Amino acid sequence: QQQVKQSPQSLIVQKGGISIINCAYENTAFDYFPWYQQFPGKGPALLIAIRPDVSEKKEGRFTISFNKSAKQFSLHIMDSQPGDSATYFCAASIGGGGSNYKLTFGKGTLLTVNP
Amino acid sequence: GAVVSQHPSRVICKSGTSVKIECRSLDFQATTMFWYRQFPKQSLMLMATSNEGSKATYEQGVEKDKFLINHASLTLSTLTVTSAHPEDSSFYICSARLTMISFYGYTFGSGTRLTVV
Repeated sequence: QQQVKQSPQSLIVQKGGISIINCAYENTAFDYFPWYQQFPGKGPALLIAIRPDVSEKKEGRFTISFNKSAKQFSLHIMDSQPGDSATYFCAASIGGGGSNYKLTFGKGTLLTVNP
Repeated sequence: GAVVSQHPSRVICKSGTSVKIECRSLDFQATTMFWYRQFPKQSLMLMATSNEGSKATYEQGVEKDKFLINHASLTLSTLTVTSAHPEDSSFYICSARLTMISFYGYTFGSGTRLTVV
């Protein structure tokens, strides 16, 4: 059972455009929603993260929008640049101890920004 | 801060040999570490969770005797792929859970590309 569904699988955007990646989750106990950026041959790097007590978080060109009632969150990349071309993963986890605190990942979105 | 150093970045080994991958937390104590496996163009697949001083908890379908995990200290966790075979070729990534007052998160190593020939 996939607990975090990510779409689209791939995305092509022109330089300067807006890239939007969506994720939906099922487990209402999730309380941490990070987005990771991964370049080929590298480990994932935290891009931005949000907790369910806020509806939006912005860091530079990257914004997370969070809709608790719809159990959805999305990543918006403004003014997309060729250097943003990478695979993006959404994830979710539950705080506290026990096995629940592992990250659950979406399947990833391959973003290509054309110059 | 909160850097996890993973070595080696690439390793090629002969079929039947064992390979050890190390992950060190450089500026924090990693009570819990996770080991992932990633196939090309796929998401990260959790293999096991290790807590310092305890036996690792393996995900369903992961062979405990093939993928040995040791987390003997708060700054070092190792994954040993024993009797490696070509099907074990993959990208292996470690991750550490960061726990601070009223906050927690995760940081990842840079990954190890294992090729078994």
